[in-house]
Amino acid sequence: QKEVEQDPGPLSVPEGAIVSLNCTYSNSAFQYFMWYRQYSRKGPELLMYTYSSGNKEDGRFTAQVDKSSKYISLFIRDSQPSDSATYLCAMTLYNTDKLIFGTGTRLQVFP
Amino acid sequence: NAGVTQTPKFQVLKTGQSMTLQCAQDMNHNSMYWYRQDPGMGLRLIYYSASEGTTDKGEVPNGYNVSRLNKREFSLRLESAAPSQTSVYFCASSEADRESAFFGQGTRLTVV
Repeated sequence: QKEVEQDPGPLSVPEGAIVSLNCTYSNSAFQYFMWYRQYSRKGPELLMYTYSSGNKEDGRFTAQVDKSSKYISLFIRDSQPSDSATYLCAMTLYNTDKLIFGTGTRLQVFP
Repeated sequence: NAGVTQTPKFQVLKTGQSMTLQCAQDMNHNSMYWYRQDPGMGLRLIYYSASEGTTDKGEVPNGYNVSRLNKREFSLRLESAAPSQTSVYFCASSEADRESAFFGQGTRLTVV
């Protein structure tokens, strides 16, 4: 069993929809949680970063962490075609910088 | 503002050949990483370096070696390339606060 599980998709939604992307993890010692966005043939770019249970909002994006359920989510409101990309969750332990990634979910937002 | 620069961008190797992938960052970050990305497998950590002069194995280190030449540069070497090493390789760097992790544009390596 992988430490971090993520539905690979693809997920196809119409423009304006609310998108929910999710990851589950098995190691309760993970403390820091990140979401990366990766456009085709590009490197991943950091989108959101959280280190505690609860919600963090940045514009149309909301990251949610539920440590008791070992579950993290990324919500995208008013999705745009420019949001079409692969979204990867990542997490790390308190005392290390070693990032562990999910497999990524491919999202397509059609006009 | 270059960020993380990887060279080369593309490479084709024959089985058994060796090569070094270069990575340099200009953000004064302490930590640097090498990942490989394969379809359906996500990003898997090969090696990482928490600071200059230190390296540590990641999830898939076999067949690779690394050198943290200085704070800026972190190279990945394939001593004897195998078709299973065909992949996209990403270098990344971060500061201890983890909010500043940056990736390079990747090296597409094909081993035939």
